[in-house]
Amino acid sequence: DAGVTQSPTHLIKTRGQHVTLRCSPISGHKSVSWYQQVLGQGPQFIFQYYEKEERGRGNFPDRFSARQFPNYSSELNVNALLLGDSALYLCASSLNHRTSFGTDTQYFGPGTRLTVL
Amino acid sequence: AQKVTQAQTEISVVEKEDVTLDCVYETRDTTYYLFWYKQPPSGELVFLIRRNSFDEQNEISGRYSWNFQKSTSSFNFTITASQVVDSAVYFCALSEPRMGGSEKLVFGKGTKLTVNP
Repeated sequence: DAGVTQSPTHLIKTRGQHVTLRCSPISGHKSVSWYQQVLGQGPQFIFQYYEKEERGRGNFPDRFSARQFPNYSSELNVNALLLGDSALYLCASSLNHRTSFGTDTQYFGPGTRLTVL
Repeated sequence: AQKVTQAQTEISVVEKEDVTLDCVYETRDTTYYLFWYKQPPSGELVFLIRRNSFDEQNEISGRYSWNFQKSTSSFNFTITASQVVDSAVYFCALSEPRMGGSEKLVFGKGTKLTVNP
């Protein structure tokens, strides 16, 4: 079975531009989460979506937004790019049953490396 | 507030040595989950293990073993007879589940392990 896929692999943008990153979850997984990982740090939570609804949001500015589609794939959008947005953006998927209290394991994709010049 | 501390920034060992990666966590919840992920140079986070707060049994999987001690809020990871392929950055992570809520993972800063031949 295919794992989590992300596109593009690498991206170079300039300050002020907009970027869209894409993620396809593991087949059968209904939840997608996004994380930002700057060099030398652990990933930081940005968003989680479950069945097209936002389940959680991390401490990121409104320039960051996301959405989930009926096929459970997801997009992360970042407006007005800053140099500090340069990072590896990781997408993770999980089963995330709506009625479960437990935490389903998140499986990560290979990431999109964004460089802002 | 949730916090994960991995005090060892970098560790270097010679092949076949045993190595232990430390993880200390902070949480006010009684129900939580702990994870270890491996990040090879390719960038993708690879899931290794998940433990819930009610299961303090140590676990062994091949050359990998995990020691969970609630009394010291630690979840340490030991690799026995290390191999060059174990070279990677290892992350410890914490999640506090909420009914219908997000599965936000809080990561430590990671420990870079280098296994030399």
